[in-house]
Amino acid sequence: DTAVSQTPKYLVTQMGNDKSIKCEQNLGHDTMYWYKQDSKKFLKIMFSYNNKELIINETVPNRFSPKSPDKAHLNLHINSLELGDSAVYFCASSQVGSGGGRETQYFGPGTRLLVL
Amino acid sequence: QQQVKQSPQSLIVQKGGISIINCAYENTAFDYFPWYQQFPGKGPALLIAIRPDVSEKKEGRFTISFNKSAKQFSLHIMDSQPGDSATYFCAASKGGGSNYKLTFGKGTLLTVNP
Repeated sequence: DTAVSQTPKYLVTQMGNDKSIKCEQNLGHDTMYWYKQDSKKFLKIMFSYNNKELIINETVPNRFSPKSPDKAHLNLHINSLELGDSAVYFCASSQVGSGGGRETQYFGPGTRLLVL
Repeated sequence: QQQVKQSPQSLIVQKGGISIINCAYENTAFDYFPWYQQFPGKGPALLIAIRPDVSEKKEGRFTISFNKSAKQFSLHIMDSQPGDSATYFCAASKGGGSNYKLTFGKGTLLTVNP
């Protein structure tokens, strides 16, 4: 059973295009996240949503727009793609309050985005 | 500002040896320190975690040592195996609630040679 799934797994596109990445979790968690992992493997949080409400927005360019239609899904739409957007994007989820403020985050397999 | 500094960037260890990865943090409000393990092509997964009220936590071959006064913590992998070859991330967080987030170190690529 896949806990956190992402589609697509790979995404190759041209500069200036608009693309979306989808994420779904079947863990019943109420909080979902998007992370960006660059070529040097650095993991940086981009957004978090709790019960469909945006909680964290880490000064990400407004070309990136997350959308959470329900608490099991968090999508990421990217407008006007740039070369620097090439990275691996990870979705993650956790359950607020499940760990007394030390919740485990469960990551998806990642979406490898290459902008040409 | 890098709030969690991790070293070394890469580490090569022989099978059966001890792997040691170090992290230092700046924010004294951090109160939870997990380590995540990431295999190539996969997402990170929680390996082991510690709270600042204990100085050591051991799970199997993996041990976290924590030094609150020095604001440092480290991961020790005993009897390292080729299957342990992965990228390891230390992380830190503070508090809980809906705005809970992890701040990650830059990762250590561990290679265990057979």
